[in-house]
Amino acid sequence: GAGVSQSPRYKVAKRGQDVALRCDPISGHVSLFWYQQALGQGPEFLTYFQNEAQLDKSGLPSDRFFAERPEGSVSTLKIQRTQQEDSAVYLCASSLGVISSYNEQFFGPGTRLTVL
Amino acid sequence: AQSVTQPDIHITVSEGASLELRCNYSYGATPYLFWYVQSPGQGLQLLLKYFSGDTLVQGIKGFEAEFKRSQSSFNLRKPSVHWSDAAEYFCAVGRGTSGTYKYIFGTGTRLKVLA
Repeated sequence: GAGVSQSPRYKVAKRGQDVALRCDPISGHVSLFWYQQALGQGPEFLTYFQNEAQLDKSGLPSDRFFAERPEGSVSTLKIQRTQQEDSAVYLCASSLGVISSYNEQFFGPGTRLTVL
Repeated sequence: AQSVTQPDIHITVSEGASLELRCNYSYGATPYLFWYVQSPGQGLQLLLKYFSGDTLVQGIKGFEAEFKRSQSSFNLRKPSVHWSDAAEYFCAVGRGTSGTYKYIFGTGTRLKVLA
């Protein structure tokens, strides 16, 4: 596709449920990022992939959060036993090259997760 | 620690008026700086970026930003605002360390445009 796509766009989960959020990056983009954007806040970094390798997961808030990119393209962010504080918009971004400050990150529209 | 501050949470301007959105950063090295715009239900769109060189950067949609190292600022400007510019604007610093790279975002400034 022309841009980064994410699905579902909206997800409502009951507290304690597991959820899986999908990201389709721009074809050929090596780097993939996940961010969490709470209401009224800027996006906060969660994790970074270079191809299939997860090089940085320092932003994942707890061990309930897990991300994968097994074939170096599509990525899934999984949240186990969701809590109300997990309610946020989850943004995925991709960039063409390997780590470089010169590589622009292209963002998807996000998945809005609401935990009841 | 690296941080980005956008002191104005909300700004309201009249259509046709000039605009300046403030951004201050805290970063030990030469920063890589970005401005993104987010419209409701849309992803973040890059307006402009600064890496090095000329401190006045031109972007899309008639926006520009000026990097001022002495003030640790990267303010976004537009000479004449259009109603379609109403959105949320985020300033970000690109931070790279060994093996990783990420953006650090400010909390955003929501722009309202009066007809």
